[in-house]
Amino acid sequence: DSGVTQTPKHLITATGQRVTLRCSPRSGDLSVYWYQQSLDQGLQFLIQYYNGEERAKGNILERFSAQQFPDLHSELNLSSLELGDSALYFCASSVAWRLANGNTDTQYFGPGTRLTVL
Amino acid sequence: AQTVTQSQPEMSVQEAETVTLSCTYDTSESDYYLFWYKQPPSRQMILVIRQEAYKQQNATENRFSVNFQKAAKSFSLKISDSQLGDAAMYFCAYRADNTDKLIFGTGTRLQVFP
Repeated sequence: DSGVTQTPKHLITATGQRVTLRCSPRSGDLSVYWYQQSLDQGLQFLIQYYNGEERAKGNILERFSAQQFPDLHSELNLSSLELGDSALYFCASSVAWRLANGNTDTQYFGPGTRLTVL
Repeated sequence: AQTVTQSQPEMSVQEAETVTLSCTYDTSESDYYLFWYKQPPSRQMILVIRQEAYKQQNATENRFSVNFQKAAKSFSLKISDSQLGDAAMYFCAYRADNTDKLIFGTGTRLQVFP
């Protein structure tokens, strides 16, 4: 158990709908990352938040948005869903976006939310 | 752009034997970090081992070790004394020093036979 929690575990919805995925980082972690794992695109970085502010953006569609709240939990909102959005969505967290001594910080992954769009 | 390549879609190993999973990457950066993550059937992504590019010594974690060849841009994972629980997808990942974004390879499915 990584300490990162994600809800729900599974989500089934229809095309055109909107869903919200939730992530709670490990205790003490300030940085949250969202990744998408799909059959055709593999594992791709979507977006990163650090202490409530957007830090980095990857291949995130305009239909997708995210935010990190004062209690550090994060939500990923997916709207106007298409069949191709079906994937496993992972949240990861780390202590900081960069450690003070310059060393990398390890990202710990949650169990993922499996989204199926019918 | 940085890329990570895992050329072995599937590998198999006998229990108690040793197996090596390959990973190559392409980058123009001099400072970066490399990781191996394991994804068992539960789909959880579990960090196996990490390597800082500035360290010449290869990282080891119990039965897992890496062979890091910076000049060749190669980062292979060796699993010794393979166990049935090692069966999983293994992903190689890269992170440049100036970003926190992880770039993943396409994964290698490892089967372990008794």
